[in-house]
Amino acid sequence: AQSVTQPDARVTVSEGASLQLRCKYSYFGTPYLFWYVQYPRQGLQLLLKYYPGDPVVQGVNGFEAEFSKSNSSFHLRKASVHWSDWAVYFCAVSHNMGYKLTFGTGTSLLVDP
Amino acid sequence: EAGVTQSPRYAVLQEGQAVSFWCDPISGHDTLYWYQQPRDQGPQLLVYFRDEAVIDNSQLPSDRFSAVRPKGTNSTLKIQSAKQGDTATYLCASSRDKDTQYFGPGTRLLVL
Repeated sequence: AQSVTQPDARVTVSEGASLQLRCKYSYFGTPYLFWYVQYPRQGLQLLLKYYPGDPVVQGVNGFEAEFSKSNSSFHLRKASVHWSDWAVYFCAVSHNMGYKLTFGTGTSLLVDP
Repeated sequence: EAGVTQSPRYAVLQEGQAVSFWCDPISGHDTLYWYQQPRDQGPQLLVYFRDEAVIDNSQLPSDRFSAVRPKGTNSTLKIQSAKQGDTATYLCASSRDKDTQYFGPGTRLLVL
């Protein structure tokens, strides 16, 4: 069965610093991978998605992620964090391009001013 | 383009009471999903529809939960006899076939 592990429940970074949020997936075959962000009292919003192809995927607001089959990872990165990035970030995997997303437990990002 | 709308935004119940959640997907989206998100966890898929047909409800606790989408547009998720373990946020999402899922703001349910 497919699964996603986000090992860091909470990450704190200073505004302007770089960011990496970790995601490890378990899937037999070719996964489709997603990063969503959830702001307080709001629904999830898609940051970026990986369909088989270029391993580095660009998303909105300066976010990018890199797929690694050898490491079973799909880490999210941003070069310079802004206070408005304060939110919960979820990694998800699907075997079917979008149906039946399996989410990780999320990583709360706190931004120090 | 209007997003996915859900109502109510909040619900507080005693155990054993019933509750219904309503979802209006983005116009033109044929696929609709219901997720349960317990506190400090990721969303977990309960059921999803293509038009009015249930495609997968294997994670829906069928003895107390039901979901319908009679005209292939709006959808209702109902809990017949709520338990404290049902306390969670219920999210609705919609998509055009297998494309990106767009989420509503959710309904936060507290069962006392």
